Amino acid sequence: DIQMTQSPSSLSASVGDRVTITCRASQTITTYLNWYQHKPGKAPRLLIYAASGLQSGVPSRFSGSGYGTDFTLTISSLQPEDFATYYCQQSYTAPFTFGPGTKVDI
Amino acid sequence: QVQLQESGPGLVKPSETLSLTCTASAGSVSSGSYHWSWIRQPPGKGLEWIGHVYYTGSTNYNPSLKSRVTISLDTSKNQFSLKLRSVTAADTAVYYCARDIGQYYYMDVWGKGTTVTVS
Repeated sequence: DIQMTQSPSSLSASVGDRVTITCRASQTITTYLNWYQHKPGKAPRLLIYAASGLQSGVPSRFSGSGYGTDFTLTISSLQPEDFATYYCQQSYTAPFTFGPGTKVDI
Repeated sequence: QVQLQESGPGLVKPSETLSLTCTASAGSVSSGSYHWSWIRQPPGKGLEWIGHVYYTGSTNYNPSLKSRVTISLDTSKNQFSLKLRSVTAADTAVYYCARDIGQYYYMDVWGKGTTVTVS
């Protein structure tokens, strides 16, 4: 299985901050990397697909980049509704594994 | 926009079979553009992909669960289902169904999730 790691595991930030989350795959996954936002009691929400594609309806303050094994999710100006846990997921090969998550709180 | 809704028992006894159904509305599970997935999240842990089914009925499972899992499609009811046999307390989780798209398999539509406790 391809192992996914994320850093940091958690971070504290303020409204308006620029936030960067890193995801690393144990082997190359080219651009088969997706990012999800998850809030307690809610369904996960797709933010970024194929490493840098912005999902329809997702604010432009979210962006993704990377190729191969190293990827980044950036929130350019953190908003109150962005406090959540963020997961990366590789879809290069089954089983489609998720990272352990990064919790963003105030 | 398609919506997904999970349904099934919230409590399952150890060694029995967990059975969940996901019903799609405003969209068809017969579409060749999508796979239909199950994902779970145990309490306090991250997300785990269980497997998915294509409209042809072909499946792909997580090897860690493959010996106990069956995912199937019922196009007449526009549903897909999950069966997990011989459950233990470790199978206690929130179970989500989701739609994944094309060759990139990103999950763009999710159900709200259903909590299943094995006890």
